[in-house]
Amino acid sequence: QLQLQESGPGLVKPSETLSLTCTVSGGSISNNSYYWGWIRQPPGKGLEWIGTIFYSENTYYNPSLKTRVTISGDTSKNQFFLNLNSVTAADTAVYYCARHAVISMIRGVSNWFDTWGQGTLVTVSS
Amino acid sequence: QSVLAQPPSVSEAPRQRVTISCSGSSSNIGNNAVTWYQQLPGKAPKLLLYYDDLLPSGVSDRFSGSKSGTSASLGITTLQSEDEAVYYCAAWDDSLNGVVFGGGTNLAVL
Repeated sequence: QLQLQESGPGLVKPSETLSLTCTVSGGSISNNSYYWGWIRQPPGKGLEWIGTIFYSENTYYNPSLKTRVTISGDTSKNQFFLNLNSVTAADTAVYYCARHAVISMIRGVSNWFDTWGQGTLVTVSS
Repeated sequence: QSVLAQPPSVSEAPRQRVTISCSGSSSNIGNNAVTWYQQLPGKAPKLLLYYDDLLPSGVSDRFSGSKSGTSASLGITTLQSEDEAVYYCAAWDDSLNGVVFGGGTNLAVL
């Protein structure tokens, strides 16, 4: 059974870098049928896609975060990572990692996050 | 403000049917498939529907999806108290080259 688990500091100071790890068990991030993504949710607000990585190489980022985000992967550890630099209080959120299916069809793209981690709250504060 | 527009809240009585709308544009819903998620209080979102109207294994067939043009809808029949949750629509956006979400709809089963 596929499981994902986020880990990392729960408190980050303003202007510093937020770094999170997603550890995948019960499946391999080398599986070229799936992508792997990060989504966040500020307290009391909706979901925001941060970015997605495919096969630890190709990445897609939310344009609103693109200048500050890096997503990478380590297939030997079956982990993928999120780095978000120059954080402010607006980056305070629950951060989720998830397996991401992205299917390109003649009639367009279908995508869905089918397995999610439990989420980890990251607070940006001095 | 979210790229996909959803009503902030809807409410209905138990055993009734409710519909939640999701409105987008030609760069997202109009050209790509819609996905729906259910988020119970304090929990991670759960995949509810994909490819506009397909149910993942284990999801009740009381949930259904439809799409027309640049809008989509989630239908829930025979409402139960356990359906109280926030529901999100999502789609790929060709202009942004990424995933966009709706703002979420809080369903209350009165």
